[in-house]
Amino acid sequence: SQKIEQNSEALNIQEGKTATLTCNYTNYSPAYLQWYRQDPGRGPVFLLLIRENEKEKRKERLKVTFDTTLKQSLFHITASQPADSATYLCALYQAGTALIFGKGTTLSVSS
Amino acid sequence: GAVVSQHPSRVICKSGTSVKIECRSLDFQATTMFWYRQFPKQSLMLMATSNEGSKATYEQGVEKDKFLINHASLTLSTLTVTSAHPEDSSFYICSARSLAGGGSYNEQFFGPGTRLTVL
Repeated sequence: SQKIEQNSEALNIQEGKTATLTCNYTNYSPAYLQWYRQDPGRGPVFLLLIRENEKEKRKERLKVTFDTTLKQSLFHITASQPADSATYLCALYQAGTALIFGKGTTLSVSS
Repeated sequence: GAVVSQHPSRVICKSGTSVKIECRSLDFQATTMFWYRQFPKQSLMLMATSNEGSKATYEQGVEKDKFLINHASLTLSTLTVTSAHPEDSSFYICSARSLAGGGSYNEQFFGPGTRLTVL
């Protein structure tokens, strides 16, 4: 069956450290993989998109990697801040479909 | 960037009544709109996909007679929860995808969500 797993439900780190979140998928062939941020009671906000032929993408303190052999994406936030505390969602896009989401990882950054 | 709005942001209704949620793309034309539902600490679950001017396609297990979707124009889609019951209480999020402008072809833009509480 098709699955998207974000294998940490919660991640707690100290301010200034790098947060690394993992997304694994099974029985998908995504053309794109995207990461979103969701705050409580809000809709998801787009952060980064990485294509199947790209290995790494960066945007300011964010970095995403995409390994189609391992069927895994890693999402890194460097120099993390308390304001980065939120739930981060991984989403896959296959041609002709809507985005399919993982369950999310709730990141808490303490000062 | 492209903006998607939803109205209302919160609604409380009595069991058995119907509730309509509007989703609008404010600065782009959305050829396809999606409706998701999210329960606490759960993922966004796709309910249905609608293309402007045609009937919505519902995901398995979603009752089309209970969740009526109308995509009457390129900027507006509505979700009506008919005869709502407490188990329909959830966070409903719409999303819109454009073919022209507003980012890449595959990008979906999300609304802020509507919190439905059925008493």
